[in-house]
Amino acid sequence: NAGVTQTPKFQVLKTGQSMTLQCAQDMNHEYMSWYRQDPGMGLRLIHYSVGAGITDQGEVPNGYNVSRSTTEDFPLRLLSAAPSQTSVYFCASSYYISGGPAEQFFGPGTRLTVL
Amino acid sequence: AQSVAQPEDQVNVAEGNPLTVKCTYSVSGNPYLFWYVQYPNRGLQFLLKYITGDNLVKGSYGFEAEFNKSQTSFHLKKPSALVSDSALYFCAVRDTGFQKLVFGTGTRLLVSP
Repeated sequence: NAGVTQTPKFQVLKTGQSMTLQCAQDMNHEYMSWYRQDPGMGLRLIHYSVGAGITDQGEVPNGYNVSRSTTEDFPLRLLSAAPSQTSVYFCASSYYISGGPAEQFFGPGTRLTVL
Repeated sequence: AQSVAQPEDQVNVAEGNPLTVKCTYSVSGNPYLFWYVQYPNRGLQFLLKYITGDNLVKGSYGFEAEFNKSQTSFHLKKPSALVSDSALYFCAVRDTGFQKLVFGTGTRLLVSP
């Protein structure tokens, strides 16, 4: 049982480049989410999904796309990287309780630098 | 709207002393409250949660938290701190039926030997 896995661990991009951050979970969780962590700002929700084929925006969705074709995978796409997207990105998954996520299981994170 | 606040950026405590990390929240309905810990260069780990029931919740590594509805607080506590407890702690909340979790800005706990 690997839990939540993320690749890559580190990435450096140039402004304007695109890339996909991969996230997978093997716990059969319905709910998956992407956060970014910046100093002094805690974790901010980018996008989330409540099941295969269903995604929605979080607090800071601009510049990011997601899709959920399977229960296991939830990739995050940066369309045209900007220095403001330099951050640590975490993927998380959880089961559902009372119409929302229960405690979330987090991946190890991807540290992204945009030059 | 739902929100959460961690009023202290850092808490310093000596090993063996009790520790408290503060969290207050705001929701319209019933809160679902969570505490997470983050060690350097790691993802967040779940510590404990309050959904319903007893106001005192026990979690991993000897931590506990007290839900106080009148003060809208969910402070994290431990009777005797360890140096290995030094880490970044996050409080999170969501309202009933809401699909988004809101995180606080985090409190750094430093436990000195």
